[in-house]
Amino acid sequence: KAGVTQTPRYLIKTRGQQVTLSCSPISGHRSVSWYQQTPGQGLQFLFEYFSETQRNKGNFPGRFSGRQFSNSRSEMNVSTLELGDSALYLCASRFLTGPTYEQYFGPGTRLTVT
Amino acid sequence: AQTVTQSQPEMSVQEAETVTLSCTYDTSESDYYLFWYKQPPSRQMILVIRQEAYKQQNATENRFSVNFQKAAKSFSLKISDSQLGDAAMYFCAYKGETSGSRLTFGEGTQLTVNP
Repeated sequence: KAGVTQTPRYLIKTRGQQVTLSCSPISGHRSVSWYQQTPGQGLQFLFEYFSETQRNKGNFPGRFSGRQFSNSRSEMNVSTLELGDSALYLCASRFLTGPTYEQYFGPGTRLTVT
Repeated sequence: AQTVTQSQPEMSVQEAETVTLSCTYDTSESDYYLFWYKQPPSRQMILVIRQEAYKQQNATENRFSVNFQKAAKSFSLKISDSQLGDAAMYFCAYKGETSGSRLTFGEGTQLTVNP
């Protein structure tokens, strides 16, 4: 069974640009969550999507947005990039039924903003 | 708001020996889960062990066990017979019963295993 996949794995962008990251969950998983990992702030929850709707949101500015498609794949978008957005972005997926604690992480996308 | 604190930024252990990583948390919820995740240099987050707050028995997974002290809000991880492959960043994480998938992570402890 394939794990959570994230594309691209590495990305370099310039300040002011926007970026879109993609996450494909494990087959059958319908919930996708996103996290930002930085050396200064650690791991922080961005948002969770299931049934194509944002269900939970962390404390991030509106420049961070996401969406989920009918096949459960999710995209995360960051507009007007800032240097501080340089981070590892992780997504995690889980089934909607059954234990809510069983979520699985992807390998992450490393975003560098110059 | 829930918080998770790991007071040991770095730890080291000799191969085959035992090490304990500390974690404390703060919450007003009665139902929650606690986790230890391992993040090796590949950056892939791997679940090591899970503890449900309503269970009094400490969780165990092979060489990994926890000491869950609910009243003290403490959740430490013990790694027995440490192996070189255990070297990684370890994160303690909290999830409330009603918080969906949202995990609150501690700052992490970098574990070095010396041969």
